[in-house]
Amino acid sequence: QSALTQPASVSGSPGQSITISCNGTGSDIGAYDYVSWYYQHPGKGPQLMIYDVSYRPSGVSSRFSGSKSANTASLTISGLQAEDEADYYCSSYTKFNTVIFGGGTKLTVL
Amino acid sequence: QVLLVQSGGEVRKPGASVKVSCKSSGYTFINSDLTWVRQAPGQGLEWMGWLSTYTGDTNYAQKFQDRVSMTRDTSTNTAFLELRSLRSDDTAVYYCAAKVATLGAPNDHFDLWGPGTMVTISS
Repeated sequence: QSALTQPASVSGSPGQSITISCNGTGSDIGAYDYVSWYYQHPGKGPQLMIYDVSYRPSGVSSRFSGSKSANTASLTISGLQAEDEADYYCSSYTKFNTVIFGGGTKLTVL
Repeated sequence: QVLLVQSGGEVRKPGASVKVSCKSSGYTFINSDLTWVRQAPGQGLEWMGWLSTYTGDTNYAQKFQDRVSMTRDTSTNTAFLELRSLRSDDTAVYYCAAKVATLGAPNDHFDLWGPGTMVTISS
């Protein structure tokens, strides 16, 4: 199975909104509403930001939101802040009872 | 405090094996499956497989099927990852992770991560 497809990089200015896409197939993103998003600061471990397409774990800012349409999931960050600069990874549960990650997107806050 | 604590960094020669441990605390070990994810230097996250901490059942990613073992010791709330026939491209940080806050199948997301164990393969 190939990794989910994410843009290598996105950027935005403080206060703006950005969206990161995550493209999969009918065997993963399109099959279930089990898409997650992770934040990873360089040198640190991943942190769950969104699960089950659009749910936020306790403690995650409401500026982060998730959605899905067919085989594509999206993460939107509104009111961009400097501290949002990090790598973001999507993941999806698959028909094969496995999990697949995206290649990661580097977010730069200008 | 809900934690996953991993063993320290390892250096191995090509062809050798390595065993990494992941000890849980602060939650009921057998209630949450344990997943292993690795990240090569400068690369993305790669799902390796999961272990049912309750039954010991496993599901491995196809690329690791023939050289990985995931086990657990319920008496010490510890899970183990063993990777055999190591190659230079196995150099990576190995994370254990669990879904703790929301119980139940499937094991699709991970809200608790260990700090990672750096495994270096070098001749």
